[in-house]
Amino acid sequence: GQNIDQPTEMTATEGAIVQINCTYQTSGFNGLFWYQQHAGEAPTFLSYNVLDGLEEKGRFSSFLSRSKGYSYLLLKELQMKDSASYLCAVRDSNYQLIWGAGTKLIIKP
Amino acid sequence: DAMVIQNPRYQVTQFGKPVTLSCSQTLNHNVMYWYQQKSSQAPKLLFHYYDKDFNNEADTPDNFQSRRPNTSFCFLDIRSPGLGDAAMYLCATSLTGQDSYEQYFGPGTRLTVT
Repeated sequence: GQNIDQPTEMTATEGAIVQINCTYQTSGFNGLFWYQQHAGEAPTFLSYNVLDGLEEKGRFSSFLSRSKGYSYLLLKELQMKDSASYLCAVRDSNYQLIWGAGTKLIIKP
Repeated sequence: DAMVIQNPRYQVTQFGKPVTLSCSQTLNHNVMYWYQQKSSQAPKLLFHYYDKDFNNEADTPDNFQSRRPNTSFCFLDIRSPGLGDAAMYLCATSLTGQDSYEQYFGPGTRLTVT
């Protein structure tokens, strides 16, 4: 079966750095996405990785290792507004998105 | 601004009473999706349209139907809602041909079944 694993919840301090990991087993691979979802709202796109390596976009970076079936989202200089769920999703060989359940990130002052 | 719009944002229906959720988009994207998301769970794909081609997920209950009368609009019909159908329903769009063709989500409709 297809599976995306991410930690259920993480806590970090304002101003710090946090890394959210995602491992996947899917039928084929055509890219990995990270989305941010605030409580009661729709997911919004953060990043896309299709090749191995690090993609940096402001305070957020995303890393991919296809051989290890592994990605992480790195958030720097954490702000209170970063408190949200972060969902990892992989596009499989049929170009369908397989979603993880999300990691709830709690930021403390 | 180009966007994905969902109406209503909150919908209350009675057990067994049919309900329709709507989605419209001004992005001119050719693919539209309906997801069901329950609290602290991953979004679950119900169906998607590739232009006019309808694709039903194998585990989507028959109770759920969809219509896409044109590029801009898509509807989700729940014929006989049960208590287990209470959830957030998300509409999303994407455009094929782009490298990533990320999905753009509407704000969602939160459905309550009483």
